[in-house]
Amino acid sequence: TQLLEQSPQFLSIQEGENLTVYCNSSSVFSSLQWYRQEPGEGPVLLVTVVTGGEVKKLKRLTFQFGDARKDSSLHITAAQTGDTGLYLCAGARNSGNTPLVFGKGTRLSVIA
Amino acid sequence: NAGVTQTPKFRILKIGQSMTLQCTQDMNHNYMYWYRQDPGMGLKLIYYSVGAGITDKGEVPNGYNVSRSTTEDFPLRLELAAPSQTSVYFCASSFRTGADTQYFGPGTRLTVL
Repeated sequence: TQLLEQSPQFLSIQEGENLTVYCNSSSVFSSLQWYRQEPGEGPVLLVTVVTGGEVKKLKRLTFQFGDARKDSSLHITAAQTGDTGLYLCAGARNSGNTPLVFGKGTRLSVIA
Repeated sequence: NAGVTQTPKFRILKIGQSMTLQCTQDMNHNYMYWYRQDPGMGLKLIYYSVGAGITDKGEVPNGYNVSRSTTEDFPLRLELAAPSQTSVYFCASSFRTGADTQYFGPGTRLTVL
């Protein structure tokens, strides 16, 4: 059973389009992170959201944490070819030293 | 700071061979992790460590062993390699767990034939 479900699994869009990817769970997380992974490299953190309902913006990327802290979304405005990559969400649970739980990711391809 | 370094970058093993994947971080992080990433998939946690001398199993520990004798190093040992262990292996570190950023190495691409 996947604790964090990401959708869609794959997304291919034209440059300039907008898109939203989702990260959903039936469990509550104390915080949620979004990472981007480019081909041949390790994931790199984009943002951490910690408060239910929180919205964070990073240039053209908007991240939202659900009110109940069970889900999150990432919206990209006017996608560019440089946005191409694998987007992973990862949730932190409240209990002590428990490691992050990663979703399977959304693979985004932005075509010029 | 070099961050998290991994060696080797690529390796081909024959079935039944053994090898050690090296991971070093220079950020004085307490927590270190080993993940595997199969084609088109996310990250699966193999083992993690909350400090020198302390390790714990993740989601997919079978066929692997780890040790943490220093804060900086967290090697992953593959015993009796199997084709199912063909994957890209990532090491990561963080100061704490939870909401702390995980810093990833560049990965080791392993093929078992």
